[in-house]
Amino acid sequence: DAKTTQPPSMDCAEGRAANLPCNHSTISGNEYVYWYRQIHSQGPQYIIHGLKNNETNEMASLIITEDRKSSTLILPHATLRDTAVYYCIVRFMTTDSWGKLQFGAGTQVVVTP
Amino acid sequence: ETGVTQTPRHLVMGMTNKKSLKCEQHLGHNAMYWYKQSAKKPLELMFVYNFKEQTENNSVPSRFSPECPNSSHLFLHLHTLQPEDSALYLCASSQYRALNQPQHFGDGTRLSIL
Repeated sequence: DAKTTQPPSMDCAEGRAANLPCNHSTISGNEYVYWYRQIHSQGPQYIIHGLKNNETNEMASLIITEDRKSSTLILPHATLRDTAVYYCIVRFMTTDSWGKLQFGAGTQVVVTP
Repeated sequence: ETGVTQTPRHLVMGMTNKKSLKCEQHLGHNAMYWYKQSAKKPLELMFVYNFKEQTENNSVPSRFSPECPNSSHLFLHLHTLQPEDSALYLCASSQYRALNQPQHFGDGTRLSIL
């Protein structure tokens, strides 16, 4: 199963774009990259996911490199409410696995005024 | 509002008490999950249900007993818990075995064992 590597923390100024990196160098061709975030005392919130192509929704953009070994989550205009732990997860399916989410330690993002 | 509702939000109980956590999803999903999140630790998957059938139990102690009467409701029955069971318990739902469909989480029940 593919593992992910994220920086433990990063700061971002309010109103600026936040670029969150994730390394998943052992990812396989049928494995999706998912991003979630968890604001203190709340459940994880789904942000975005992708397979090969870049994706964008109302919350963020996901840029996946051509070799799929890394990705970047972009929050275009960070606000104080974006302060959270951000999780990058590679989701896979095998005969024994049904596509479970395996959460790591994530990146603690702090947005400052 | 994620479409997954958990009650109660907070629960304090003694080690000899029996209580239940409830989860309800309004997303039309067919799979439901229980996760445990202890302080400073990653989320740990506890149980998986697919169409009311339990498909995974990650070596969870028998003092935790899940129940899934239908694909919209999930319970976690608690009895004779230990102090180390104090944690945030999260429920999630999704379409089963659909890699390109996300799981959606509730806001959890914060459980404290006295």
